[in-house]
Amino acid sequence: DQQVKQNSPSLSVQEGRISILNCDYTNSMFDYFLWYKKYPAEGPTFLISISSIKDKNEDGRFTVFLNKSAKHLSLHIVPSQPGDSAVYFCAAPVKGSGTYKYIFGTGTRLKVLA
Amino acid sequence: GAGVSQSPSNKVTEKGKDVELRCDPISGHTALYWYRQSLGQGLEFLIYFQGNSAPDKSGLPSDRFSAERTGGSVSTLTIQRTQQEDSAVYLCASSFRGGGNEQFFGPGTRLTVL
Repeated sequence: DQQVKQNSPSLSVQEGRISILNCDYTNSMFDYFLWYKKYPAEGPTFLISISSIKDKNEDGRFTVFLNKSAKHLSLHIVPSQPGDSAVYFCAAPVKGSGTYKYIFGTGTRLKVLA
Repeated sequence: GAGVSQSPSNKVTEKGKDVELRCDPISGHTALYWYRQSLGQGLEFLIYFQGNSAPDKSGLPSDRFSAERTGGSVSTLTIQRTQQEDSAVYLCASSFRGGGNEQFFGPGTRLTVL
């Protein structure tokens, strides 16, 4: 049961244009979401997060939008730069009995073309 | 300061052998996670350590997998009698106090079982 889904395995965008990466989730109990970026041969690095009490969080060129009714979030990168080429994962923490697991999506590979 | 380190960076082993993967978390981080990423897949949660609490082992795929965390710091993931399907990148992450806090990932260990 994939609770966090990234249905687009890859995306190509021209430099300077907007990149939109999508993520859908099924568990309505999720109340916090994170985006990670991963370069080849490196571990993922945290990019931006959003709490379910908000519908938007912005950090420089990166903005995450949350639509709770649709159980959908998206990451916007504008303007896109070649250095943004990486795999992007969305994730949600799930609280168990005193522990937290993070459920990750399968990732979207973004390629920004110069 | 030093980030999360993992060793070895690459491990090639023969089917049936045991392997040990090591993770050194960021000093002061009480939460430690192990994930694996198989080819074309997302990050699969394996195990979570938080302070002195019993670890959440619910993600371990079989009893051939085990993990320890000594002294609340270094962790070792052991895979016994490795199988070809164990081939993946094994990622370790730590965070301050766990919960919904940002995780910091190591570079991973790429395990290849021949």
